[in-house]
Amino acid sequence: DAGVIQSPRHEVTEMGQEVTLRCKPISGHDYLFWYRQTMMRGLELLIYFNNNVPIDDSGMPEDRFSAKMPNASFSTLKIQPSEPRDSAVYFCASSGAGMGNTGELFFGEGSRLTVL
Amino acid sequence: AQKVTQAQTEISVVEKEDVTLDCVYETRDTTYYLFWYKQPPSGELVFLIRRNSFDEQNEISGRYSWNFQKSTSSFNFTITASQVVDSAVYFCALSNFGNEKLTFGTGTRLTIIP
Repeated sequence: DAGVIQSPRHEVTEMGQEVTLRCKPISGHDYLFWYRQTMMRGLELLIYFNNNVPIDDSGMPEDRFSAKMPNASFSTLKIQPSEPRDSAVYFCASSGAGMGNTGELFFGEGSRLTVL
Repeated sequence: AQKVTQAQTEISVVEKEDVTLDCVYETRDTTYYLFWYKQPPSGELVFLIRRNSFDEQNEISGRYSWNFQKSTSSFNFTITASQVVDSAVYFCALSNFGNEKLTFGTGTRLTIIP
């Protein structure tokens, strides 16, 4: 089975440009998470969705960040305009939900963003 | 508010030694879940284990074992007879019942020296 698929794996852009990160969760999973990892702040939850509906976006740092999940198999995280402090690895994860399951989050390989 | 503390930033041990990674958590909820994830040099995060707050039995899986103690709010992870392939960053995480959101600790970078 395919795991969580993220694209691009690496993105280098200049300050002020728009960045769009993409995620395809595991088929059948109804939760999708966006995390950001930096050396300074570790792993931070940005937003998560349940059945395509945003449940908690309290971790989204600013209005420059937005996330959508138009259907069960696709999500985007957009940064506009990007700033150097947005440089990080962005992970997407999905889970099959329900405390009856293991609660395991399946992570993608991450998108490494560098904003110059 | 919930919090996970991994006080050990980096640990290095010689291959075949045992090593314990510490994890201390804070939560107001009485029902919660604790996790360990491994992040090898390749970067992906790999699930290792989940424990429920109402089950304090220790768990062993091969060379890995976990010690959960509610009295000290700790969920420590021991690797026995460490191997070079165990070199990675290990994260402890917490979620509350009914909430799928995971709060991660800052991670412990483990280096196994051949």
